This record gives sequence, C-alpha cells and structure tokens, in this order.
Amino acid sequence: QSVLTQPPSVSGAPGQRVTISCTGSSSNIGAGYDVHWYQQLPGTAPKLLIYDNSNRPSGVPDRFSGSKSGTSASLAITGLQAEDEADYYCQSYDSSLRVFGGGTKLTVL
Amino acid sequence: EVRLLESGGGLVQPGGSLRLSCAASGFTFGNYAMSWVRQAPGKGLDWVSDIYGRGVSTYYVSTYYAESVKGRFTISRENPKNTLYLQMNSLRAEDTAVYYCLKLGGLQPGNYYFASWGQGTLVTVSS
Repeated sequence: QSVLTQPPSVSGAPGQRVTISCTGSSSNIGAGYDVHWYQQLPGTAPKLLIYDNSNRPSGVPDRFSGSKSGTSASLAITGLQAEDEADYYCQSYDSSLRVFGGGTKLTVL
Repeated sequence: EVRLLESGGGLVQPGGSLRLSCAASGFTFGNYAMSWVRQAPGKGLDWVSDIYGRGVSTYYVSTYYAESVKGRFTISRENPKNTLYLQMNSLRAEDTAVYYCLKLGGLQPGNYYFASWGQGTLVTVSS
C-alpha cells in the first residue's frame, strides 16, 4: 500500500484532456513538500516529467502540467496523443523517506 | 549529457550478497546527491536509498534507507571514480527488482527529485 494514492488507471481519446490525481496526507504533501511526476513508457526506464509541483524539464511538451493543493496534487495532459500511453508516478517526501504513488496506467483509446 | 550506467546485477540465492555499481558521467558527480530506486517485475517504483554530501574528496556524507532494506543494504560513493555503489546483503526474494541509479535534483533534501535515471540492472533473488 503506497503512501501516496493514485488511481490505477485512466483513459482518454486522442485530443482529449485527462487528469491523474495523487492524494497524500499532512505528513507529506500537506506538510509542504513538493510533488514530482515521472513517466514510464513501456519497456523503458522512468523519466522526470514534472518537478516542484508544476515545472517542466526542458524537452517536456507543455501539454503536460502539474498542480498541487492541500494534501493532493494533479497531473494534467491535454491534447492526448498515442505516445502518451504510459505509466505515471507521483513522488514526494515523508518522514525522511522518499515516497511514490502506486502508479497510474494511462490508456489512449 | 548526464549518463548513469548500472552494473552488477544478476542471479543470487536467498541470503546472498551482491554489489551494484553506477558509473556516472556528464556532470560533476561529487556535487550531487545520488539515489537508488527499484522496481519489482510488474510493480511500481520503490525508493531504496539516498546519499547526500557535496564536495570533492573527503567530506561528511549522510545516508538514508527505506525501512525494508535498513541494516542489509549500504549505499556509498567514490567521487574520484564518479561511481555510486549499493552493497546488498542478506538478500530476500522480495528484493528481486530492476535497480535504478539516480542523480537527484533540487535545492533542499525534502524536495529533491529524481532528475536523471539510468537504464537499470536486474537483481533476481532465487534458489
């Protein structure tokens, strides 16, 4: 059972907008720690997608955006594309430990 | 370009030991905190250990471990060789996973993120 809770799966049609939630608690996200997001394409290593709640590393399309409020965070993907089909993980910090969400599988219909 | 190349994975019997290495290039290795994260087959990501401490040559380092590996795994680094290590002892079946080496980014330890990932090395614990 993960410290951060994500929906196991989400789906959307090409061109649509989808969001992935990441719910924590007062000891992690609610304590002010930043949330980071990672994308893992099938058969590959994960890569950093969003850092510090809402910042994109260079090379990440602006179709990807992140936000944080209270004890939760969200990843939004607009203009969904087939190549966005992947697993997405949120990550934060809790009691001197780095914690991940359980991951969300995004299916592009 | 940041490159992280893990090695040392393989098949080991329960109770055995293994040492993973990570050769880093493309950045000033000694200036960055580093980490290990693992992923069991078909499962999610699981943080293993961090090593902090910036500088060249000898300096005080801080290490942190997930509860599941504390007392069994040891993280270390050799800055002149740009290499990160993970010594794994008393291995269990549940330690079977791909182990990733990571360069941490960010300004404060509580808000560090996994900025760069290696390709991973598979550790299989089985008799």
